[in-house]
Amino acid sequence: AQSVTQLDSQVPVFEEAPVELRCNYSSSVSVYLFWYVQYPNQGLQLLLKYLSGSTLVKSINGFEAEFNKSQTSFHLRKPSVHISDTAEYFCAVSDDGSGNTGKLIFGQGTTLQVKP
Amino acid sequence: DAGVTQSPTHLIKTRGQQVTLRCSPKSGHDTVSWYQQALGQGPQFIFQYYEEEERQRGNFPDRFSGHQFPNYSSELNVNALLLGDSALYLCASSLGRRPISGANVLTFGAGSRLTVL
Repeated sequence: AQSVTQLDSQVPVFEEAPVELRCNYSSSVSVYLFWYVQYPNQGLQLLLKYLSGSTLVKSINGFEAEFNKSQTSFHLRKPSVHISDTAEYFCAVSDDGSGNTGKLIFGQGTTLQVKP
Repeated sequence: DAGVTQSPTHLIKTRGQQVTLRCSPKSGHDTVSWYQQALGQGPQFIFQYYEEEERQRGNFPDRFSGHQFPNYSSELNVNALLLGDSALYLCASSLGRRPISGANVLTFGAGSRLTVL
């Protein structure tokens, strides 16, 4: 069965420093990969996704993630973080061969804490 | 354009009771998925409804049931509540068409936080 492992439960970082949140997945078929962000007392918001094509995907607020099939990874990076990036980040995979992404398998989440 | 709306936002129940949570999908979406997010955990897939039928189901007992209405809105019902059912219940909507496209990506609501005492 597919699974997602987020290697760090908490990542403290100072403002304007770079950050990487690590995500590894296991799946025997082609996958679709996602990063979602959850702010306190809110639902999940899609940050970025890999469905096909270029393995490097970017969000509008400076995050990027690279799909690495050989290493089964989809790490999230940002070159310079802001206080407002403090949140819980979830990596998710959907490997439904039918193309239906309704069933996502989520990692345990990584708490990004940006310090001034 | 309204996103996914869920109600109620918070509720408290006691063990053994039953609860119904409601979800209205994003305008234009026809598929609704439900997830359970326990404190400090990632969301877990409960089930998905499309064309008023349960299309997929996760590893949840039959105490968890659902329904989708002709207007695509959905309900999640949980019977015989247990303490372990305390969680944030998230509804997500999408388009059920294939093949895969950006439109198939899930849009989540803010959730209903259930506390079982």
